[in-house]
Amino acid sequence: EAGVTQFPSHSVIEKGQTVTLRCDPISGHDNLYWYRRVMGKEIKFLLHFVKESKQDESGMPNNRFLAERTGGTYSTLKVQPAELEDSGVYFCASSLRTAYSGNTIYFGEGSWLTVV
Amino acid sequence: AQTVTQSQPEMSVQEAETVTLSCTYDTSESDYYLFWYKQPPSRQMILVIRQEAYKQQNATENRFSVNFQKAAKSFSLKISDSQLGDAAMYFCASGTYKYIFGTGTRLKVLA
Repeated sequence: EAGVTQFPSHSVIEKGQTVTLRCDPISGHDNLYWYRRVMGKEIKFLLHFVKESKQDESGMPNNRFLAERTGGTYSTLKVQPAELEDSGVYFCASSLRTAYSGNTIYFGEGSWLTVV
Repeated sequence: AQTVTQSQPEMSVQEAETVTLSCTYDTSESDYYLFWYKQPPSRQMILVIRQEAYKQQNATENRFSVNFQKAAKSFSLKISDSQLGDAAMYFCASGTYKYIFGTGTRLKVLA
């Protein structure tokens, strides 16, 4: 069974440009999460989808970040326009049930974003 | 605010020896879960062990075990018989439907 896959694995863009990160969750997982780790800091929650609905987007830093999950399958996270402080690793994760029930969430390898 | 603190940025252990990684947390939740995740150089975040806060018994997974002290809000990870493949970044996390992570501890295993 394929795990959580993320694309691209690395991206280097200039300040002001746009980047779109994609996440394919494990098949059948309704719950999808985005997390971010800025270098040297903790991994922080960004948002949580249940199917195509945003259940919690309290961690989204500002309106330059837009996450979508049309059709409840894969998700995209767009950063527009990118700023230097957006550099970091963006992790996607998925779970069968909500993590609230203690259900394990499975992480992808992360998309490393560098804004120069 | 919920927080997770890992006070050891880096640890080293000799192969076959035992090492303990520290983690403390603070939460207002009455029912929550605690986790240790491992991120090796291959970058895939892997769940190492999970503990339900309502369970007093410490979780164990083969060479990995935890020392869960609920009153002290402490959740340390013990790795026994350390192997070279254990070298990785270890993240402690707590949460219910979303996780709060610590800053991580880099574990080096010396041959």
